[in-house]
Amino acid sequence: LAKTTQPISMDSYEGQEVNITCSHNNIATNDYITWYQQFPSQGPRFIIQGYKTKVTNEVASLFIPADRKSSTLSLPRVSLSDTAVYYCLVGLSPNTGGFKTIFGAGTRLFVKA
Amino acid sequence: SQTIHQWPATLVQPVGSPLSLECTVEGTSNPNLYWYRQAAGRGLQLLFYSVGIGQISSEVPQNLSASRPQDRQFILSSKKLLLSDSGFYLCAWSSTGTDNYGYTFGSGTRLTVV
Repeated sequence: LAKTTQPISMDSYEGQEVNITCSHNNIATNDYITWYQQFPSQGPRFIIQGYKTKVTNEVASLFIPADRKSSTLSLPRVSLSDTAVYYCLVGLSPNTGGFKTIFGAGTRLFVKA
Repeated sequence: SQTIHQWPATLVQPVGSPLSLECTVEGTSNPNLYWYRQAAGRGLQLLFYSVGIGQISSEVPQNLSASRPQDRQFILSSKKLLLSDSGFYLCAWSSTGTDNYGYTFGSGTRLTVV
């Protein structure tokens, strides 16, 4: 199972772009990279998922280099409500039989006014 | 649309008492189901997962057990709670379909064993 390494915490200001990088040096060929957001006393919420290159949706972008040993979650123009813990997960996508993706400690993002 | 229900939201139980947490999923069939536990300020630890009725896989040896009596029902139990069982318990499901985009979590149960 691929282990992930993320910064423990990050601070930002409203309106700035935030980039959170996750290292996953031993990612396997079939592994997907998924990011989740968690607010206190709530379950994590899916943000974005990718396999390679760049993926963009209405809330974030995910950049994955060719070697796939890292990935970067990019949050454009953050607001106070983006203060949360962000988790990077690496593993087989559940629809291909991967059930053992590991949640690390995540990155605590604190957005200031 | 699919929804996941988890209850109760909070629970305070004495040491040695039994536990039963229930999770149900609506709007999908044959989901993969999961129980996670999160200690304060920590990441999520996978406890159990299930790919079908009666099929339970345990990830961590512990004082807990899980059961899946129906396709969309997942139950976490304990016969005798320990102080170390305190934590935030999360149920989740994932689809086996090709349009799956990861896990959907319930709202969680905050368990305090006293």
